Amino acid sequence: DAGVTQSPTHLIKTRGQQVTLRCSPKSGHDTVSWYQQALGQGPQFIFQYYEEEERQRGNFPDRFSGHQFPNYSSELNVNALLLGDSALYLCASSPVHRRRDTQYFGPGTRLTVL
Amino acid sequence: TQLLEQSPQFLSIQEGENLTVYCNSSSVFSSLQWYRQEPGEGPVLLVTVVTGGEVKKLKRLTFQFGDARKDSSLHITAAQPGDTGLYLCAGAENFGNEKLTFGTGTRLTIIP
Repeated sequence: DAGVTQSPTHLIKTRGQQVTLRCSPKSGHDTVSWYQQALGQGPQFIFQYYEEEERQRGNFPDRFSGHQFPNYSSELNVNALLLGDSALYLCASSPVHRRRDTQYFGPGTRLTVL
Repeated sequence: TQLLEQSPQFLSIQEGENLTVYCNSSSVFSSLQWYRQEPGEGPVLLVTVVTGGEVKKLKRLTFQFGDARKDSSLHITAAQPGDTGLYLCAGAENFGNEKLTFGTGTRLTIIP
């Protein structure tokens, strides 16, 4: 049983560009949450999707947007990249019909903005 | 905004010793999770505690949720080099609002 998968593993962009990160949840999971983890810090919640809608959002600007597809996979889009967007972006999934606070994380995408 | 403070931030001990990591807040959480994270990887879920006073054991690791559901501790007995990593606690505010608020982490190093 595959765990949460994310792509790409690493990404280098320049300021002002746009980026799309992808996540596939564990089998049997319907909820996907995205987090940003800066170096030396704990993850910060960006937003959460289930039933193909954004259900909760953290304190991130509108430059951060997302989408969930019918197969429960998800994308995170960041527009007009800033140097401060450099971080490890983590996707987490939660099981169907269970507490969504029990979240299983993928390996992350390391984004570097130059 | 709910905050979780972890202590200590850094801990370096000899193999075989015992240790405790603390996670404290002034806010009440409906549940609390503990994760371990290796460099360049995602956090790995160790445990979820949901009831005040709850104690869970995972081999040499013992997790406790405070009676008031504002704090938690992680105790490791006879630490081994494989326990080295970043330990993160994370809390959910309430059922139906399950975004996780993470602590800043405790970086644990076990010296062989």
